[in-house]
Amino acid sequence: NAGVTQTPKFQVLKTGQSMTLQCAQDMNHNSMYWYRQDPGMGLRLIYYSASEGTTDKGEVPNGYNVSRLNKREFSLRLESAAPSQTSVYFCASRVTDTQYFGPGTRLTVL
Amino acid sequence: GESVGLHLPTLSVQEGDNSIINCAYSNSASDYFIWYKQESGKGPQFIIDIRSNMDKRQGQRVTVLLNKTVKHLSLQIAATQPGDSAVYFCAEISGSNDYKLSFGAGTTVTVRA
Repeated sequence: NAGVTQTPKFQVLKTGQSMTLQCAQDMNHNSMYWYRQDPGMGLRLIYYSASEGTTDKGEVPNGYNVSRLNKREFSLRLESAAPSQTSVYFCASRVTDTQYFGPGTRLTVL
Repeated sequence: GESVGLHLPTLSVQEGDNSIINCAYSNSASDYFIWYKQESGKGPQFIIDIRSNMDKRQGQRVTVLLNKTVKHLSLQIAATQPGDSAVYFCAEISGSNDYKLSFGAGTTVTVRA
């Protein structure tokens, strides 16, 4: 039981490039979330998916898109990366009220 | 706007002493609170939670206290160990927001040997 897994662990992009961050959970949770974490700040919600087939915007959705591919997988896409999107990205899944987090993806946009 | 925040960004504690980490929140509708621990290079890890109908909850070496009157919660760590060095976040949920967590900025706890 791996919990929440994220790929890649690290990524460097040039401004304007696109990429997809992958997240998968093997706990059969319905809800999944994407957060970003910037230095000195708490996590901020980008998008979430309450169940397979649904997605909703969080606090900071601009510049991102998401896909809930199936119950296990929830991907985050940056269509045209900007330096302001340099951050650490965390995926989480939820059972009852508790969210469980993946190890994070550290993204740098030059 | 509504926010969750921690009183102090850093806390230095002698090994073996008790640690107290504080958090203030402003959303009076919040009904569920969670403390997370984040070690360097890792994702947040659930420590303990408390619902708004409780004042205190204890876990293994940790206790969370909730004071709804002043909208304050604290995390107490007994007999702090080097492995407790991490960033600690409080987070809150109000029942009407689809279980979206609102996080404070975090307190960095450093344990001195």
